[in-house]
Amino acid sequence: SQQGEEDPQALSIQEGENATMNCSYKTSINNLQWYRQNSGRGLVHLILIRSNEREKHSGRLRVTLDTSKKSSSLLITASRAADTASYFCATDFGNEKLTFGTGTRLTIIP
Amino acid sequence: NAGVTQTPKFQVLKTGQSMTLQCAQDMNHNSMYWYRQDPGMGLRLIYYSASEGTTDKGEVPNGYNVSRLNKREFSLRLESAAPSQTSVYFCASSGNWGGETQYFGPGTRLLVL
Repeated sequence: SQQGEEDPQALSIQEGENATMNCSYKTSINNLQWYRQNSGRGLVHLILIRSNEREKHSGRLRVTLDTSKKSSSLLITASRAADTASYFCATDFGNEKLTFGTGTRLTIIP
Repeated sequence: NAGVTQTPKFQVLKTGQSMTLQCAQDMNHNSMYWYRQDPGMGLRLIYYSASEGTTDKGEVPNGYNVSRLNKREFSLRLESAAPSQTSVYFCASSGNWGGETQYFGPGTRLLVL
């Protein structure tokens, strides 16, 4: 399967701490995206990083991509209660669609 | 802009019944997708439509059919529902090509008894 895999499956941290989650994939990609899903809602796009980029920032989010290791990480700094959600990576293998991972469930403890 | 809308929000079916899930987008996107989400499985692609007039199978198409009615609307039909189709179904759309950012609807929760 080409599906990306997030690690860890679940993560609980104190409010204000940083949260890091990782995504690994198996074949070369055009781009990798991260999405957030709040409980009972649809997915919301967070950030897209292309295969020729190594790092990208958006507000409190920082994404890195290491194509040699076929992995990406999402860092959320200064976490807030509202960051509690599931986070998914999605990879574009150039076949007209995205392949989603199984997600990391992040819980921020107030 | 409403973005991507889905109807119904929740549905209970008996085994063997049929139903159609509706999806519409108002962003003038070319590509549309149907996913199902099951606990611990992430999102799995059922069918997609890269452009108006075309549809293709995804990872888990068995038991489903789709219709790209026009550029705005993409429906998913269950001809004879089975308990294994109990899931949350999401519709999504993207602008011009499959690897772009996708915009998701709020989902339809389907329970098949």
